[in-house]
Amino acid sequence: EIVLTQSPATLSVSPGERATLSCRASQSVRSNVAWYQQKPGQAPRLLIYAASTRATGIPVRFSGSGSGTEFTLTISSLQSEDFGVYYCQQYNSWPPITFGQGTRLEMK
Amino acid sequence: QVQLVQSGGAVVQPGWSLRLSCAASGFTLSNYGMHWVRQAPGKGLEWVAVIYSDGKRKYYADSVKGRFTISRDNSDNTLYLQMNSLRAEDSALYYCARDDDTGGNPFDYWGQGTLVTISS
Repeated sequence: EIVLTQSPATLSVSPGERATLSCRASQSVRSNVAWYQQKPGQAPRLLIYAASTRATGIPVRFSGSGSGTEFTLTISSLQSEDFGVYYCQQYNSWPPITFGQGTRLEMK
Repeated sequence: QVQLVQSGGAVVQPGWSLRLSCAASGFTLSNYGMHWVRQAPGKGLEWVAVIYSDGKRKYYADSVKGRFTISRDNSDNTLYLQMNSLRAEDSALYYCARDDDTGGNPFDYWGQGTLVTISS
């Protein structure tokens, strides 16, 4: 099973600043990584797939990068609606499809 | 527009069975892979099962293999998760999610979730 480790566990950022979230895979998953955003009481929402492709309707301030075992989600200028929990997911080697444990992005 | 409306969650005792439903609209279920994902209270996301668009290939997490069965009814455009021999550790919010292709891909649409609580 491929383990995804996200860091940091919690990230405190002020609105308008840049946020960088990391996801490390226990073995190569090529570019088969997605990122999801989850707000309290809501289902997750797909942000990025194939490591760097924005999903439909996702603002350009969200960007993804990486391949192999190291991946990054960057939010260039945080808006108030961007705070929540972010999960990475690998869909390269499965079953099982696995998720990281999440990074909580909170307002500073 | 694509919608996934879930139902079936309940409070049941250990060892009992439960069937979750996920009614799809805005697309044809049989053209896509479909997944179940669960989230224990205050915890992260755990993938549970997938049914491929061909309806034949089904895969499960080890934690539910042999106890849970994923299926779908093409005439009703509804996805199901039959859960047997339920345990306390199965307590979670269960989401259905659409694969953005035939199976084994990211999840582009999610249901609203349905809560399953296992308690004596």
